[in-house]
Amino acid sequence: EPEVTQTPSHQVTQMGQEVILRCVPISNHLYFYWYRQILGQKVEFLVSFYNNEISEKSEIFDDQFSVERPDGSNFTLKIRSTKLEDSAMYFCASSEDGRYRDTQYFGPGTRLTVL
Amino acid sequence: TQLLEQSPQFLSIQEGENLTVYCNSSSVFSSLQWYRQEPGEGPVLLVTVVTGGEVKKLKRLTFQFGDARKDSSLHITAAQPGDTGLYLCAVGSGNTGKLIFGQGTTLQVKP
Repeated sequence: EPEVTQTPSHQVTQMGQEVILRCVPISNHLYFYWYRQILGQKVEFLVSFYNNEISEKSEIFDDQFSVERPDGSNFTLKIRSTKLEDSAMYFCASSEDGRYRDTQYFGPGTRLTVL
Repeated sequence: TQLLEQSPQFLSIQEGENLTVYCNSSSVFSSLQWYRQEPGEGPVLLVTVVTGGEVKKLKRLTFQFGDARKDSSLHITAAQPGDTGLYLCAVGSGNTGKLIFGQGTTLQVKP
């Protein structure tokens, strides 16, 4: 069964460093998303991406964040200068277009630890 | 901003018991998703409900969407330890696919 994959599973970085989180969405999906979950808190929307551009971004997704689909399979989230409060689980998700857009399949997540 | 309230927050039961958890809001939704999440892992999609009054079954799990499409319930029959986990409901907000999640119900099934 097709699934969303994410790498790395765990990333440790120093405050102020850049990190890139990688995702391979399900191949026939057209919508791509990043969410994050701080330990013990709700899953929070960061950004949605469709047709090679951002569809919507949350207040969390400031100028330090960017997303890219560099080729036909990968979808990346870059944090330019990490802060302590960026420590969280980051989930990539994807969905089909149209009426199935809200039926989103999530990857296993990347645990980001900022020291 | 849509607000999803899930209840109860925590539920601890014995293997073999039945249970129901709820996801409520004052807003109307075009669809609602249920996910199950284990510690340190991503949410796993269980079901999407789209029609008011709709009932979907997944083995021992029964999902119902309220007639007014404002609420949903998840009923588990004869719970097993493998059902232990965090059950999340989520709804779409707007036309961009943004999902809003509830805070979840943590279920513990004791052998």
